[in-house]
Amino acid sequence: DAGVIQSPRHEVTEMGQEVTLRCKPISGHNSLFWYRQTMMRGLELLIYFNNNVPIDDSGMPEDRFSAKMPNASFSTLKIQPSEPRDSAVYFCASRTYRDEQFFGPGTRLTVL
Amino acid sequence: QQQVKQSPQSLIVQKGGISIINCAYENTAFDYFPWYQQFPGKGPALLIAIRPDVSEKKEGRFTISFNKSAKQFSLHIMDSQPGDSATYFCAATPFGNEKLTFGTGTRLTIIP
Repeated sequence: DAGVIQSPRHEVTEMGQEVTLRCKPISGHNSLFWYRQTMMRGLELLIYFNNNVPIDDSGMPEDRFSAKMPNASFSTLKIQPSEPRDSAVYFCASRTYRDEQFFGPGTRLTVL
Repeated sequence: QQQVKQSPQSLIVQKGGISIINCAYENTAFDYFPWYQQFPGKGPALLIAIRPDVSEKKEGRFTISFNKSAKQFSLHIMDSQPGDSATYFCAATPFGNEKLTFGTGTRLTIIP
């Protein structure tokens, strides 16, 4: 198995632009998580899905952030419009019914 | 209630020594306590985890010690090696809950 796949690995954009981060979970995993990691705030859970359904989006910082999971093998996290304070590493993780979460390699986002 | 406090923030240990990282929690509903290891440019990866029905769990050079009454748990790395240099995160979650609450991380450096 290739593990959790995220793209792009690096994204540099200008303030105000739309950014879309992509995630392919491990096949067979039924839960998917989006995290943001910064030096100041550490690892924060933004949103998670069970069986493609959003369960808890209380960590989404504001309406500029949205996430979708149209099928079991794909999810997106969109920021529109992006701001410099959104600069961070964004991780996607997936899991089965067990407790272990497998993290992807992350997308390093820089908003200028 | 949801917070997990982790210390120290950074740790330098000589090769062959014992590395100890501590975490404390308040939420008594937490009953699954994983430790994640993160190398630069990579996503966190599960290292070892424990449930509160045991006071200690050992896997190779890595041991979790758990003190339920004190609401504390710690990671011990025996015979620390330069390859152990990474950031370590403790985490916790209640039974049946998929949301992990992460500690702030400890940057461990093993020097020759």
